[in-house]
Amino acid sequence: EAQVTQNPRYLITVTGKKLTVTCSQNMNHEYMSWYRQDPGLGLRQIYYSMNVEVTDKGDVPEGYKVSRKEKRNFPLILESPSPNQTSLYFCASSFGAGGPQETQYFGPGTRLLVL
Amino acid sequence: AQKITQTQPGMFVQEKEAVTLDCTYDTSDQSYGLFWYKQPSSGEMIFLIYQGSYDEQNATEGRYSLNFQKARKSANLVISASQLGDSAMYFCAMREALGEKLTFGTGTRLTIIP
Repeated sequence: EAQVTQNPRYLITVTGKKLTVTCSQNMNHEYMSWYRQDPGLGLRQIYYSMNVEVTDKGDVPEGYKVSRKEKRNFPLILESPSPNQTSLYFCASSFGAGGPQETQYFGPGTRLLVL
Repeated sequence: AQKITQTQPGMFVQEKEAVTLDCTYDTSDQSYGLFWYKQPSSGEMIFLIYQGSYDEQNATEGRYSLNFQKARKSANLVISASQLGDSAMYFCAMREALGEKLTFGTGTRLTIIP
């Protein structure tokens, strides 16, 4: 089954404790992206990757890191989480590296609570 | 800068009625894509429908259609014969010509009343 998977789905952590949210897709997609969703704000892009070893900042990159060492994986790293990073996080992917017609498919989401 | 505006925070609609969810957008690109996603209470984001800026006909997918008015920069989602399972949050989004990101609106929460 073609899908985007994220792990963990739920996470409660404490301020300052490094964490990684994994994202993997099995569709051989070139483009991958991370978003966070907060009430009243919709989804905002954190980082994106056009291909392996190619990443760039989105609208809200502060406090996050990413890497794209393999085509299928795009982990999101919070080196020192803070309470304002409590949010619902989505990973997404699309076939092409660009172009407005490319539909992004989303993972199931990761709910993160930082105490 | 791109912007998506959804002016209806919430809507209540009787089952079996049609419903229109509003979306207006702002971009300086000539080539762009417009998308609608559904987010049920379980949280996942489900792709519904796509409209390209150069498409001459309105997109349709089953009970979903997109009322695309390019001159007005609007891309309203129409759901025909609404069902209880349509109750969800709906997001309008736009992807720019280079495709680096989706810009989302703030969403409309649709509730279908039996």
